[in-house]
Amino acid sequence: DAGVIQSPRHEVTEMGQEVTLRCKPISGHNSLFWYRQTMMRGLELLIYFNNNVPIDDSGMPEDRFSAKMPNASFSTLKIQPSEPRDSAVYFCASRRNKNIQYFGAGTRLSVL
Amino acid sequence: GIQVEQSPPDLILQEGANSTLRCNFSDSVNNLQWFHQNPWGQLINLFYIPSGTKQNGRLSATTVATERYSLLYISSSQTTDSGVYFCAVPMDTGRRALTFGSGTRLQVQP
Repeated sequence: DAGVIQSPRHEVTEMGQEVTLRCKPISGHNSLFWYRQTMMRGLELLIYFNNNVPIDDSGMPEDRFSAKMPNASFSTLKIQPSEPRDSAVYFCASRRNKNIQYFGAGTRLSVL
Repeated sequence: GIQVEQSPPDLILQEGANSTLRCNFSDSVNNLQWFHQNPWGQLINLFYIPSGTKQNGRLSATTVATERYSLLYISSSQTTDSGVYFCAVPMDTGRRALTFGSGTRLQVQP
């Protein structure tokens, strides 16, 4: 199994630009999670989907962030417009009905 | 939500030494995972251990659910064990997303 695949691995952009992060969950997994890791706040949930439906978006910081899961094998996290405080590592994770979450390698975002 | 505390925050060991990392959580949980974040930033699953004891090579973990803590044991540490170790539990009863402790940063010196 290829594991959870995230792209790009690194993204450098300028303030105000749109950023799109991508995630392919493990085949057969029905829940997908987006987390963000910063020095100040550690690892925190942004949003999660179950069977492609957003269930809990309480961690999405503001309207500049949006996430979609158009099908079981693909999800995007979009930031528009991006700000320097969005700089972080963004992780995608997936799980099947059992409780183990598996994490992708992360996308390191730098907003200048 | 459920709170997670990890100790110690930092640990420096000589290669070959043993260590114990602790994770306390504030409420009953049906899910607990230990992760290792390596120096390249990857989060690697170590254990899924809501209760009981498991072993995987030089690593083992014990969760005492009734007393709301889990322990991760590392024996005969190697430099490749360096990184940050996280404990994670569900954010709240019935929620699938995880809340993470602040981690234990381990440095194993040759």
